[in-house]
Amino acid sequence: EAGVVQSPRYKIIEKKQPVAFWCNPISGHNTLYWYLQNLGQGPELLIRYENEEAVDDSQLPKDRFSAERLKGVDSTLKIQPAELGDSAVYLCASSLFSGGSNEQFFGPGTRLTVL
Amino acid sequence: DQQVKQNSPSLSVQEGRISILNCDYTNSMFDYFLWYKKYPAEGPTFLISISSIKDKNEDGRFTVFLNKSAKHLSLHIVPSQPGDSAVYFCAASANNNDMRFGAGTRLTVKP
Repeated sequence: EAGVVQSPRYKIIEKKQPVAFWCNPISGHNTLYWYLQNLGQGPELLIRYENEEAVDDSQLPKDRFSAERLKGVDSTLKIQPAELGDSAVYLCASSLFSGGSNEQFFGPGTRLTVL
Repeated sequence: DQQVKQNSPSLSVQEGRISILNCDYTNSMFDYFLWYKKYPAEGPTFLISISSIKDKNEDGRFTVFLNKSAKHLSLHIVPSQPGDSAVYFCAASANNNDMRFGAGTRLTVKP
């Protein structure tokens, strides 16, 4: 069974440029998560989707971040414009059902460097 | 706010010995706890979990202990193997809501 796929794996951009990350969850998983992981820290939830509906985006900085999950499968996370402080690893995860007691499967992440 | 804390950024253990990774939490509403393991350039993978109605859960070499009164949990790995070298994240959730992660502890198991 294929795991969670993310692309690109690495991205280097200059500040004020836009950037987008793509995630393909495990087939059949209804719930998709985007996390931000800063160096030396644990993952922090940005947004959670149940099918195509964003049910928790309270931690998403909406002035510059946006996300979509069309058709309830793939998802894209966008930053526009990027700032120096956005340098981090962006992790995508999926689970069969929503909720903290359901095992989440993580992708390898996209490491973003903003210069 | 750091509701889940892993105060030891790193731990080094000899192969064959016990590794004990600790985690403290502040939110008394947390009722489900998980440990994730992360290798470099990979995403975290689920290791073991425990519900607040239990105080111990065991899976092979891995055992998680929960002390609700102290708001503390620990992961024991016995015996430790070099392949266990990774970053271990403690996570917690309340009422089946989203998980909160600790900052992680880097375990190094020396041959």
